[in-house]
Amino acid sequence: AQSVSQHNHHVILSEAASLELGCNYSYGGTVNLFWYVQYPGQHLQLLLKYFSGDPLVKGIKGFEAEFIKSKFSFNLRKPSVQWSDTAEYFCAVNAIARQLTFGSGTQLTVLP
Amino acid sequence: KAGVTQTPRYLIKTRGQQVTLSCSPISGHRSVSWYQQTPGQGLQFLFEYFSETQRNKGNFPGRFSGRQFSNSRSEMNVSTLELGDSALYLCASSATGRETQYFGPGTRLLVL
Repeated sequence: AQSVSQHNHHVILSEAASLELGCNYSYGGTVNLFWYVQYPGQHLQLLLKYFSGDPLVKGIKGFEAEFIKSKFSFNLRKPSVQWSDTAEYFCAVNAIARQLTFGSGTQLTVLP
Repeated sequence: KAGVTQTPRYLIKTRGQQVTLSCSPISGHRSVSWYQQTPGQGLQFLFEYFSETQRNKGNFPGRFSGRQFSNSRSEMNVSTLELGDSALYLCASSATGRETQYFGPGTRLLVL
């Protein structure tokens, strides 16, 4: 069975700080990887995705993620966070049977 | 294109009752998936429908069921509601299931 681990449950940063959120998955085959964001009171939105090709993918709002196959990781990064980035971030894997398996989520709080 | 829509947005039910939730996918999308989101368990996959057929089911009791119509709209039914069924129920659509899934705003169900 596929599983996803997000080790940071709550991250607090000041504006302009750099961000890296960890995501590890367990599945040995081909995977599609996603990061979704849930802003307060809003629905899940896609930040970025990796299907194949360049392991460094860029998403919306300045976010990027790097797929490292040997480490089964897909970490999310942003060089300089803003107060408006305060949200919950979910890593997800689609490997088998067309279902998304989500990590437990990371609540990011950016202090102005 | 219009996004995924879900109705109703909020529901209050009592234990033992049943409830039906509705989801309209993005136009042209034939795969509809349902997820349950709770603070304790996070986002969990319920089931996925494609061309009116359930292709995959998560680890939920038989009280949770669904169906899909010929226009790809989907309904989810929960019978004999329990307090633990209180959650945000999310619907997501994609073209065939392996691509990016786009989420609706969810139906928040409260069971008293």
